[in-house]
Amino acid sequence: GQQVMQIPQYQHVQEGEDFTTYCNSSTTLSNIQWYKQRPGGHPVFLIQLVKSGEVKKQKRLTFQFGEAKKNSSLHITATQTTDVGTYFCAGLRYGNKLVFGAGTILRVKS
Amino acid sequence: EAQVTQNPRYLITVTGKKLTVTCSQNMNHEYMSWYRQDPGLGLRQIYYSMNVEVTDKGDVPEGYKVSRKEKRNFPLILESPSPNQTSLYFCATAPTYTYEQYFGPGTRLTVT
Repeated sequence: GQQVMQIPQYQHVQEGEDFTTYCNSSTTLSNIQWYKQRPGGHPVFLIQLVKSGEVKKQKRLTFQFGEAKKNSSLHITATQTTDVGTYFCAGLRYGNKLVFGAGTILRVKS
Repeated sequence: EAQVTQNPRYLITVTGKKLTVTCSQNMNHEYMSWYRQDPGLGLRQIYYSMNVEVTDKGDVPEGYKVSRKEKRNFPLILESPSPNQTSLYFCATAPTYTYEQYFGPGTRLTVT
């Protein structure tokens, strides 16, 4: 079964509201990656976090990697309609196995 | 232009009729992988390859075969497709120093 749990499965927000998706792994990860998939498209790499407690920002997106390297979050400030899509986390386990979360579908009402 | 190509993009077939989905990359990546995407289940890895002639099972390998005879190509073979293999399939490549995945455009397969 899924060894990287991602919540929520679905979120519908008003444009301008914030959005957060969370990932939790049952095992310690070598790194965690985040991807975005637009409707009808393929997943596109956003960012990779490697260090314990790492925080990275890309404009309105903030990514965090937990101290224990088992959990991560993606936060979008003031969502826009261009943010719609499915956001996936993917944990790289030691031994080079990448496991994806089930994804969070984000819909934005304008 | 760096790219990952998959063919065909869409395929409707019948149970038991062998098929191959091709994947090709021009980025000289060692790592290649196949995923299937189903609603609510995210991306599940079928097989992956660390280099030529080196392949390994992912989380859902049953009913699939792969081969890696050349670095650029990683075909996915369904010897006897069944309806539960109806899905959206993605090929991905990655450099082994980051494992950042570059995905192909996807192949939507329907098995009736």
